[in-house]
Amino acid sequence: GAGVSQSPSNKVTEKGKDVELRCDPISGHTALYWYRQSLGQGLEFLIYFQGNSAPDKSGLPSDRFSAERTGGSVSTLTIQRTQQEDSAVYLCASSLDPSGGAETQYFGPGTRLLVL
Amino acid sequence: KQEVTQIPAALSVPEGENLVLNCSFTDSAIYNLQWFRQDPGKGLTSLLLIQSSQREQTSGRLNASLDKSSGRSTLYIAASQPGDSATYLCAVRPYSGGYQKVTFGTGTKLQVIP
Repeated sequence: GAGVSQSPSNKVTEKGKDVELRCDPISGHTALYWYRQSLGQGLEFLIYFQGNSAPDKSGLPSDRFSAERTGGSVSTLTIQRTQQEDSAVYLCASSLDPSGGAETQYFGPGTRLLVL
Repeated sequence: KQEVTQIPAALSVPEGENLVLNCSFTDSAIYNLQWFRQDPGKGLTSLLLIQSSQREQTSGRLNASLDKSSGRSTLYIAASQPGDSATYLCAVRPYSGGYQKVTFGTGTKLQVIP
């Protein structure tokens, strides 16, 4: 079956512009996660959606970052007024039911963002 | 705060060798530990997940062990192949908190030379 997909795969933008990154999770997965992977750094948690619950936004680095998930499926991560330090790979993952200890996350290929 | 360290950062071995990748973590109150591989331009692929009550998990040529008390996990790869070349990441989920609380290591970049 189809895995997690993300678009665009690459994005180059100018400092100060807004960007939108899209994630299509695996059908039926209730949990969705956004991470940021900067060069030489581990994955940094950004935001987590679980079903209809309020999202956990504790990882968002600033108020320029926001995300939404429509209809419990597709998610969009928006970065406003991009800065050069926002350059990174943005990864999306989904899982079937995170309450189970044996549940694993499935990752998308990521969006490579370069802010000039 | 949980810290996850992977040493070495990079490793190059000839094809056919058995090898061990290391992952250490500072807080032993974990729910599970997971090993992933990441290929260039690709997302992460889950390899093995070890629950906190388990000591090891095996899948094909891969064997992952967990020693919670010492804060260590190893990923053993037998008879390495060029296709094993990738970055290997370990990720620790805390006992309290969901996957949003998972801490990832920075990875070991493995190159298997034909």
